[in-house]
Amino acid sequence: SQTIHQWPATLVQPVGSPLSLECTVEGTSNPNLYWYRQAAGRGLQLLFYSVGIGQISSEVPQNLSASRPQDRQFILSSKKLLLSDSGFYLCAWRSGGPPNQPQHFGDGTRLSIL
Amino acid sequence: AQSVTQLGSHVSVSEGALVLLRCNYSSSVPPYLFWYVQYPNQGLQLLLKYTTGATLVKGINGFEAEFKKSETSFHLTKPSAHMSDAAEYFCAVTGISGGYNKLIFGAGTRLAVHP
Repeated sequence: SQTIHQWPATLVQPVGSPLSLECTVEGTSNPNLYWYRQAAGRGLQLLFYSVGIGQISSEVPQNLSASRPQDRQFILSSKKLLLSDSGFYLCAWRSGGPPNQPQHFGDGTRLSIL
Repeated sequence: AQSVTQLGSHVSVSEGALVLLRCNYSSSVPPYLFWYVQYPNQGLQLLLKYTTGATLVKGINGFEAEFKKSETSFHLTKPSAHMSDAAEYFCAVTGISGGYNKLIFGAGTRLAVHP
């Protein structure tokens, strides 16, 4: 069966520090991969998605970036964090096959910026 | 504009009462529809999905939803609420605003269940 792993679960970072959040999927090949942010009391905002290695689509201009160095690995990065980057970050995957397949989510990373 | 609307950001029910969470969407193409549940500090868990076929779909934890094309709705129901149903619920649609690679989420409905 397929599983998705996100780490770390929680992270406290100072303003201006770099960020790297990692997400890996097991048990499937060539998945679509997604990064979302959920601000406190808000809905989900799609940040990036990828349909293949090295293919990244950015949904919202910001100081975050994403990379997909391997088929089942998706990384969210920042060179300099802002206070507004605080939130709950969720990684998700979907089968790259039929379009009716749902997305499956990881357990999330709670990021606090001080 | 293509969108997903969840009526009521907060819904409160008594334990044992009917749960009804509303979702409406706008789309110019046949959509695929999903409901997700999120417990505090956790990711989203798929409750159920509608793709094609039977318009009444059953999901986990006793939830079901009915796709009504004429009303562009996909409301989520459960006959009898349980305390463990307290969570946030998200309706999501794919097939609109950029194709089938992306999900468009509603703003969410927080369900409270009281004794």
